[in-house]
Amino acid sequence: EAGVAQSPRYKIIEKRQSVAFWCNPISGHATLYWYQQILGQGPKLLIQFQNNGVVDDSQLPKDRFSAERLKGVDSTLKIQPAKLEDSAVYLCASSLGLGGEAFFGQGTRLTVV
Amino acid sequence: AQKVTQAQTEISVVEKEDVTLDCVYETRDTTYYLFWYKQPPSGELVFLIRRNSFDEQNEISGRYSWNFQKSTSSFNFTITASQVVDSAVYFCALSEQNTGNQFYFGTGTSLTVIP
Repeated sequence: EAGVAQSPRYKIIEKRQSVAFWCNPISGHATLYWYQQILGQGPKLLIQFQNNGVVDDSQLPKDRFSAERLKGVDSTLKIQPAKLEDSAVYLCASSLGLGGEAFFGQGTRLTVV
Repeated sequence: AQKVTQAQTEISVVEKEDVTLDCVYETRDTTYYLFWYKQPPSGELVFLIRRNSFDEQNEISGRYSWNFQKSTSSFNFTITASQVVDSAVYFCALSEQNTGNQFYFGTGTSLTVIP
């Protein structure tokens, strides 16, 4: 069974530029998450989708971050404009649903300079 | 308030020693789930175990064992006869039925096994 796919693996951009990350969850997984992990910290939820609807985006900085999950499968996370403090690993995860374990992709390491 | 607390920031052990990683959680839900994940240097979070709030049986899987105690809100993880490959950051996580299955992660414990 294929795991969660993310791209790109690494991205370096200058502040105020924009960037987009892509995630393809495990087939059949209705729930999709985007997490931000700053070095030395635990992952922090940015947004959670159930199929193509948003369950929780309370910690998403909506003035600069946006995410969508068209057709309830793939998802993209965008940052525009990026700030230095956005440097982190962005993790995508998926799960079957309530109580199920989440499976994580390899993440995208973003460096904003 | 922090829902998951991992008080141990860093632990170093010599190979073949046993080590226990502590996890304390906080929830008002009666239905919740607890997880442990391993994050090796490669960065990917690897699922290790899931427990629901109604199942307090301890579990053993090879060199790994987990002790779930609702009375103390703890879900501790023990590695027996540690190996160098166990070196990683370990995260404890909680999801609650009433908050839509969002995962709350602790701050992680960095384990170094010295050969």
